[in-house]
Amino acid sequence: TQLLEQSPQFLSIQEGENLTVYCNSSSVFSSLQWYRQEPGEGPVLLVTVVTGGEVKKLKRLTFQFGDARKDSSLHITAAQTGDTGLYLCAGSPNTGNQFYFGTGTSLTVIP
Amino acid sequence: GAVVSQHPSWVICKSGTSVKIECRSLDFQATTMFWYRQFPKQSLMLMATSNEGSKATYEQGVEKDKFLINHASLTLSTLTVTSAHPEDSSFYICSVPGREGYEQYFGPGTRLTVT
Repeated sequence: TQLLEQSPQFLSIQEGENLTVYCNSSSVFSSLQWYRQEPGEGPVLLVTVVTGGEVKKLKRLTFQFGDARKDSSLHITAAQTGDTGLYLCAGSPNTGNQFYFGTGTSLTVIP
Repeated sequence: GAVVSQHPSWVICKSGTSVKIECRSLDFQATTMFWYRQFPKQSLMLMATSNEGSKATYEQGVEKDKFLINHASLTLSTLTVTSAHPEDSSFYICSVPGREGYEQYFGPGTRLTVT
């Protein structure tokens, strides 16, 4: 069951541009994570947000959890070619229970 | 976070044979592990929750008799794809939930190709 919808599905931008990826659901999550995945590898955790309205920054990446804990966004400032990859959000309806992934956003940063 | 390994990293098998994939939590005892499959250019789909000492919990649409899960110890879960078919070819990834339950840590994945 895919409870989380991500948009856009594909994104191709020039190096130096800014971008935002959205992760939306009609369900409430106790926590939400963002991952980045390279081809042929497992996802790598970028951040976890647990509080509605929470904002976390990781260098050029800014993550926000919606007030109602149903949605989240990832904003990248001044994208670099090294940011290229598949970005996945994942939510857990309850602490310690199953995690469900979003539909994914494939980002390509062109030099 | 937890360090998770998978074995093998890739495997090729013939139709009709069975393949076992191992997921190990190297530095953390995990009563629960998760198994996912991922098709090319798609997201991860949760297949089942592996529970140490009890039966796995399968997601809707996943055949439990085809994808056998055994979680015999706190550090090892196995996924056996029985009577494999070409459509079972996929990237299989396991994960271990973090201590506080808010996060999960992934293995490197196993690429299965059924010919």
